[in-house]
Amino acid sequence: QKEVEQNSGPLSVPEGAIASLNCTYSDRGSQSFFWYRQYSGKSPELIMSIYSNGDKEDGRFTAQLNKASQYVSLLIRDSQPSDSATYLCAVIESGTASKLTFGTGTRLQVTL
Amino acid sequence: DGGITQSPKYLFRKEGQNVTLSCEQNLNHDAMYWYRQDPGQGLRLIYYSQIVNDFQKGDIAEGYSVSREKKESFPLTVTSAQKNPTAFYLCASSTSDRANWYFGAGTRLSVL
Repeated sequence: QKEVEQNSGPLSVPEGAIASLNCTYSDRGSQSFFWYRQYSGKSPELIMSIYSNGDKEDGRFTAQLNKASQYVSLLIRDSQPSDSATYLCAVIESGTASKLTFGTGTRLQVTL
Repeated sequence: DGGITQSPKYLFRKEGQNVTLSCEQNLNHDAMYWYRQDPGQGLRLIYYSQIVNDFQKGDIAEGYSVSREKKESFPLTVTSAQKNPTAFYLCASSTSDRANWYFGAGTRLSVL
């Protein structure tokens, strides 16, 4: 079975620091990658999508994709306590065109 | 406002009982999905439907059934064959290019 792997954490960073979240995937043919934020008991909220190698920036968030290494990451600059949540990496695998496969998520704690 | 509506928000199942979770969307999306989330885990795909009157099993379909009689509706039945149904259930839909995904607020199912 194709897999999406994330470190479960918790990842603890002080307020104002950069949080770095990582994700690896097994399907080399995957083309679409998403980062979601999920607060406890709530549904996931899309932070960013990325489709091409390189960096994509949106405000304090930067997604990085390296298809050769099958690796996608999310950087959060100037981390705030409100960023404390679970971050889910999701991938649309090749050949399916329909299924979004999720990692188990990384729990981020931003400390004061 | 366009979106996905899941009901009920909380549901309790008795031993041997079938229960049905509702999912309605007014986004005019062909594709709809059901995911299950256990505590501290990512989302796992139960069933998905790409068009009315057609649906496919996901990774954990055993003990569940679905129907897709209308474009707007994709109800999920948790049958008595599902021995561990306690989880957070999320319904989603996506645009035809799979670039945009929308999630409902979720239904939390517990066993009495």
